[in-house]
Amino acid sequence: EAQVTQNPRYLITVTGKKLTVTCSQNMNHEYMSWYRQDPGLGLRQIYYSMNVEVTDKGDVPEGYKVSRKEKRNFPLILESPSPNQTSLYFCASSRQGPDEQFFGPGTRLTVL
Amino acid sequence: SQQGEEDPQALSIQEGENATMNCSYKTSINNLQWYRQNSGRGLVHLILIRSNEREKHSGRLRVTLDTSKKSSSLLITASRAADTASYFCATPEGTGGFKTIFGAGTRLFVKA
Repeated sequence: EAQVTQNPRYLITVTGKKLTVTCSQNMNHEYMSWYRQDPGLGLRQIYYSMNVEVTDKGDVPEGYKVSRKEKRNFPLILESPSPNQTSLYFCASSRQGPDEQFFGPGTRLTVL
Repeated sequence: SQQGEEDPQALSIQEGENATMNCSYKTSINNLQWYRQNSGRGLVHLILIRSNEREKHSGRLRVTLDTSKKSSSLLITASRAADTASYFCATPEGTGGFKTIFGAGTRLFVKA
């Protein structure tokens, strides 16, 4: 089954404790992206990747890191999480470019 | 930056009625997309309309694009309770950009 998977789905952590949210797709897609969704603000793009080893900042990259060492994986790293990073995070992928993206189920992160 | 802005923010209708949602954007685009999100879940791509198209249909969905007014509308005909969801428009930033910009969304509630 074609899908984008994210882990963990739910995470409660404390300020400053490094964490990684994994994202994997099995569709051989070139484009992958991370978004955060906050009430009333829609989805805001954090980082995106056009292909392996090629990443770029979205609208809200501060406090996040990403890497794209393999085509299928695109982890999101929070080196020192803060409460304002409490949000619902989505990973997405598409065949090529930002069109017709497939979304993962989301990761709900709470930073205390 | 908020490229796409949906209107209305919320819409409540009876089953069987039509629902119309609007999206405005600011810069030139190659295409515009609409996504649906059921409560707290990942987004699902509905339809993509290219800048050289004025209207596109997919089942009960009809999308229009007016590049002179920088606006798009999504019409859902003969709505069903299962259409209850949030609907977002999204555009790549500029023409040929890889960044994706989502609007804040329209929450549609269809009463059975």
